[in-house]
Amino acid sequence: ETGVTQTPRHLVMGMTNKKSLKCEQHLGHNAMYWYKQSAKKPLELMFVYSLEERVENNSVPSRFSPECPNSSHLFLHLHTLQPEDSALYLCASSPSSYNSPLHFGNGTRLTVT
Amino acid sequence: AQTVTQSQPEMSVQEAETVTLSCTYDTSENNYYLFWYKQPPSRQMILVIRQEAYKQQNATENRFSVNFQKAAKSFSLKISDSQLGDTAMYFCAFLDSGAGSYQLTFGKGTKLSVIP
Repeated sequence: ETGVTQTPRHLVMGMTNKKSLKCEQHLGHNAMYWYKQSAKKPLELMFVYSLEERVENNSVPSRFSPECPNSSHLFLHLHTLQPEDSALYLCASSPSSYNSPLHFGNGTRLTVT
Repeated sequence: AQTVTQSQPEMSVQEAETVTLSCTYDTSENNYYLFWYKQPPSRQMILVIRQEAYKQQNATENRFSVNFQKAAKSFSLKISDSQLGDTAMYFCAFLDSGAGSYQLTFGKGTKLSVIP
């Protein structure tokens, strides 16, 4: 039990599909994050939510749409993605939205065909 | 903007030996945090060790220790008595300690293989 659970573990989708990634944390944390991990590139922060309010959006294309209905759940809705969006998407949580170590999930491996 | 550089894309070490992974960073801040994360094949990023920049003493966690050289902006990770389970990607990360700072800056990682 990692404390941060991501589903699905793997996802293959076409460019016209709509899908969602889910993240759930059982640690009582107040902040949740989406990161993108591409081969041979540093992890890229996509979105940060603190107490269910979005506090950071790092110029992510609108085909990625986050949703945080409560402090334990975070979604990433995907729509009309491109092949270059194929990557490992990591969810993380932390006790607060700054100065706190992150606790990561196992990620969703996304392939866009 | 901060940058984090890991100059060793891949490294290997014999089981029970010691290995050091290098990390340098660039920042104009005086107060910040540095981290080493481990990502095994299971893909989960796990925090290995953390260092506050205002602390002169190097952080240690069991077999893991750091050599923090603030003036040189260097933050290397030493793994002693390497074990097969240490095989993973290792990422160095930087966090500004200012209020509202929530963006970890990661390096590209070092792939460590522990050889039996």
